[in-house]
Amino acid sequence: QKEVEQNSGPLSVPEGAIASLNCTYSDRGSQSFFWYRQYSGKSPELIMFIYSNGDKEDGRFTAQLNKASQYVSLLIRDSQPSDSATYLCAVNIRGYSTLTFGKGTMLLVSP
Amino acid sequence: ETGVTQSPTHLIKTRGQQVTLRCSSQSGHNTVSWYQQALGQGPQFIFQYYREEENGRGNFPPRFSGLQFPNYSSELNVNALELDDSALYLCASRPQGPQETQYFGPGTRLLVL
Repeated sequence: QKEVEQNSGPLSVPEGAIASLNCTYSDRGSQSFFWYRQYSGKSPELIMFIYSNGDKEDGRFTAQLNKASQYVSLLIRDSQPSDSATYLCAVNIRGYSTLTFGKGTMLLVSP
Repeated sequence: ETGVTQSPTHLIKTRGQQVTLRCSSQSGHNTVSWYQQALGQGPQFIFQYYREEENGRGNFPPRFSGLQFPNYSSELNVNALELDDSALYLCASRPQGPQETQYFGPGTRLLVL
């Protein structure tokens, strides 16, 4: 049973567009939600985390959480070619401090 | 830079051998987790150490074992290596307190032939 699901992509967007990355999770006990960016051959790099329903903005990035729908998303505004990477959604389940990851969505931003 | 370091960066072993991977966590981080990331997959949780004790384990066999030292550095040991153990092994540390954010080291890429 998969606990965190992401579309593997690739998601292709032109430079300057908004990229929308989506993630669903199965455990309603999930409390914390994280987005990591991973360039090819590199380790995951934390972009954002969100705990509460609603939106959280950090620069060009906005995380959105809907616990009722068990859905979390990441919006990247003004996408740049340097944003081309795999984006990993991770969930922390109540009572545990470990992370459960999705397989990631590959984003390609074309100049 | 997260302040988490891992060694070695790359490693080639043959099936049946044993390997030890090392991790130094960021200062002030007392929880260390290890993850295995196979090609095209998300990281999979192996186990976690807090104050030198294992306090969580994923779905990995006992031939995956670990240690955490008083300075919070950590080791991952894998015995009887199998071809499927070929992966990127990631160490992640977490600061003290309620924050759940984990910061990853650069990883060790292991190839088992």
